[in-house]
Amino acid sequence: DIQMTQSPSTLSASVGDRVTITCRASQSISSWLAWYQQKPGKAPKLLIYKASSLESGVPSRFSGSGSGTEFTLTISSLQPDDFATYYCQQYNSYSGFTFGPGTKVDIK
Amino acid sequence: EVQLVESGGVVVQPGGSLRLSCAASGFTFDDYAMHWVRQAPGKGLEWVSLISWDGGSTYYADSVKGRFTISRDNSKNSLYLQMNSLRAEDTALYYCAKDIAGNVAVAGTFDYWGQGTLVTVSS
Repeated sequence: DIQMTQSPSTLSASVGDRVTITCRASQSISSWLAWYQQKPGKAPKLLIYKASSLESGVPSRFSGSGSGTEFTLTISSLQPDDFATYYCQQYNSYSGFTFGPGTKVDIK
Repeated sequence: EVQLVESGGVVVQPGGSLRLSCAASGFTFDDYAMHWVRQAPGKGLEWVSLISWDGGSTYYADSVKGRFTISRDNSKNSLYLQMNSLRAEDTALYYCAKDIAGNVAVAGTFDYWGQGTLVTVSS
């Protein structure tokens, strides 16, 4: 099975900061990677799919990059609504669509 | 507007069974593969199962294989998860999620989620 890791596990930042979260896969997943945002008590929300494609309705301050085994999610200017937990997810194989452990972005 | 509404979550004893349901609306249900994803209290997300648009193909996480069965009724726009031999580690919020791909394809990523139904396995 493909394992996913994320760093950091927690990130403290201020409004207006540029934020970068890294996700690594245990083997190559090409560009089959998605990013989700989850707020407490809410279902996850899709932000990015196929590593860098922005889901409809998601603000352009969110961007994704990478391929193979290393990927990043960048928030260009952190907004108050962005404080949440972010998960990466690989979908390279039907044998298992695994998520990373999550990165919590909180207020500095 | 796409809506996914899960139901069926309750407190059940270890070894017991449960059937979850998900009612879908706002999209052409039989064009899309569907998934179940779960989240244990205070923990991360775990994909559980996938079913193709016509129910002809199903896939499971190793942690539930042989115990859970995913199914769908396209005439009722509904998705199901039959859960048998339940264990304490199956305690979680279970989400129904729509696959992003259309035209009967499968992508394996999820563009719409329900609000979840809570399953608690405890004696």
